[in-house]
Amino acid sequence: GEDVEQSLFLSVREGDSSVINCTYTDSSSTYLYWYKQEPGAGLQLLTYIFSNMDMKQDQRLTVLLNKKDKHLSLRIADTQTGDSAIYFCAERPTKVTFGIGTKLQVIP
Amino acid sequence: DTAVSQTPKYLVTQMGNDKSIKCEQNLGHDTMYWYKQDSKKFLKIMFSYNNKELIINETVPNRFSPKSPDKAHLNLHINSLELGDSAVYFCASSQARRATLSYEQYFGPGTRLTVT
Repeated sequence: GEDVEQSLFLSVREGDSSVINCTYTDSSSTYLYWYKQEPGAGLQLLTYIFSNMDMKQDQRLTVLLNKKDKHLSLRIADTQTGDSAIYFCAERPTKVTFGIGTKLQVIP
Repeated sequence: DTAVSQTPKYLVTQMGNDKSIKCEQNLGHDTMYWYKQDSKKFLKIMFSYNNKELIINETVPNRFSPKSPDKAHLNLHINSLELGDSAVYFCASSQARRATLSYEQYFGPGTRLTVT
């Protein structure tokens, strides 16, 4: 079945790197996504990675995919207070399934 | 400029009432979704429509009935509201891009439903 797991909470200091981890179960997932949800707002797509890629970099964001372990991570370099939000990973075998979300707290 | 809009933003109502939430997207997408996000922020898909046809119908009580009058609209009607229906409901849309088939979704701002 489809199941996406994430840790619930991460706290980092401003300027440090943040790494948010996610594991998924469906090896047929073609796309894996990271969404950001700021307080009181809807989800916003940050980035996605195709399943035949190992890494994707987009400015301060780096996505790493380990298909063997079904592990996905999002690294945010030079974390800013504006990065404080809940981050959801999601997979798509047939439909998009979201993880429970990781709340990132950035300490000034 | 709004891509995916929902009305109302907040909805407070009593148990047993019937209410509707409306969603509209101006992105020209062919697929729309309803998600429920509970108090613990868990996001669960409820329904998905593609070109006005229901394609995903998760285990949702029959009291919830989606309606898609056209590709740009997907409304959610809820009968006999219960306390457990209190949540934030998000509408989303997507378009399968022929080049990438990435299906990224664009979310509305959410409707916070409180049932008292």
